[in-house]
Amino acid sequence: EDKVVQSPLSLVVHEGDTVTLNCSYEVTNFRSLLWYKQEKKAPTFLFMLTSSGIEKKSGRLSSILDKKELFSILNITATQTGDSAIYLCAVDDSGGSNYKLTFGKGTLLTVNP
Amino acid sequence: NAGVTQTPKFQVLKTGQSMTLQCAQDMNHEYMSWYRQDPGMGLRLIHYSVGAGITDQGEVPNGYNVSRSTTEDFPLRLLSAAPSQTSVYFCASRTLGSNIQYFGAGTRLSVL
Repeated sequence: EDKVVQSPLSLVVHEGDTVTLNCSYEVTNFRSLLWYKQEKKAPTFLFMLTSSGIEKKSGRLSSILDKKELFSILNITATQTGDSAIYLCAVDDSGGSNYKLTFGKGTLLTVNP
Repeated sequence: NAGVTQTPKFQVLKTGQSMTLQCAQDMNHEYMSWYRQDPGMGLRLIHYSVGAGITDQGEVPNGYNVSRSTTEDFPLRLLSAAPSQTSVYFCASRTLGSNIQYFGAGTRLSVL
């Protein structure tokens, strides 16, 4: 049973489009949800969300968490070819000191010129 | 700023061979972990450590050993490589006070 489900698994858009990536989760001891961007190599941190309804924003990227409905979205506006990457969602469901991240399978975003 | 350093970047093994993937971090992070990434599977936790001398199993530990003799280093050992261990391996670290993990550049391993 998947605890963290991302959708869509892949997406192809044109430069300038706006995209919304989804992450739903089902865990018992939620602490935080994190978004990472993975290009050719290591995943790099984008956002960490712990509270519902508070949007995190960085340039053209933004993310919000809904703890009641158990999901998060990552929005990218005015996409560029450099946004092409795998976007990973991860949930910390340890609820205590035994920190473990559970990752979704990722969304592969391709932005064509 | 070295961060998390993994070596080697690429490795090809024959079935049954052993090897060690190296991971070192210079950020004085207590927590270190190893993940494997397979197509369509996301990142899966192999082993992790919350400090020197302390290790624990993750989601997919079979076939892998780890040790943590220093804060900086967290090597991953494959004692008898199998084709099912063909994957990309990532090492990550963080402080115990933060949920944000920092990843190394990865090791691409092929077992023939």
